[in-house]
Amino acid sequence: QQQVKQSPQSLIVQKGGISIINCAYENTAFDYFPWYQQFPGKGPALLIAIRPDVSEKKEGRFTISFNKSAKQFSLHIMDSQPGDSATYFCAASFRSGTYKYIFGTGTRLKVLA
Amino acid sequence: DGGITQSPKYLFRKEGQNVTLSCEQNLNHDAMYWYRQDPGQGLRLIYYSQIVNDFQKGDIAEGYSVSREKKESFPLTVTSAQKNPTAFYLCASSVSARGPGANVLTFGAGSRLTVL
Repeated sequence: QQQVKQSPQSLIVQKGGISIINCAYENTAFDYFPWYQQFPGKGPALLIAIRPDVSEKKEGRFTISFNKSAKQFSLHIMDSQPGDSATYFCAASFRSGTYKYIFGTGTRLKVLA
Repeated sequence: DGGITQSPKYLFRKEGQNVTLSCEQNLNHDAMYWYRQDPGQGLRLIYYSQIVNDFQKGDIAEGYSVSREKKESFPLTVTSAQKNPTAFYLCASSVSARGPGANVLTFGAGSRLTVL
């Protein structure tokens, strides 16, 4: 019940295309859904995050779509660029005493020039 | 620049040896965390600390130990009891472990440990 399932495991997109990564969760106690971007040999960095009271959040070329009833959320990268090539992790967190994070297994994105 | 510094970046260890990974932050964050990253498994929580001189086990604490003697520092020791220690280790921090700012993690650049 505490898993966050992420797909696909890897993704190849042409430059200018749309990259879509999906995550699904079971625990309705989750109240914060961030996406992290990680370049090789680096730590993850917060990219964008959403709370369950909104269905969409957009920051530049990055958009999170959130479907509370389906318990799914996704990251859309519009006009994908080679510099977007990285591993993306979705996560979900909830407060149980302290905040707990559950991370997805990651998606390795490669954007072809 | 405020951030988290992890050292060493790469570390090689012989079986049976303990090693300590350093994590220092100058963000004035109360909470600090250690995660382990393995290919295809995402990030798994090893230990976390809400405040100085206090820490709790995460999901995979066996074979690891930590200390939190200073707010800025949260070193992780990988002991010889850890059966499969080869991994990428990430230190993170947040403003607190409860309340506003608790849910925003800042990560260091990681330390890659290889057991020979």
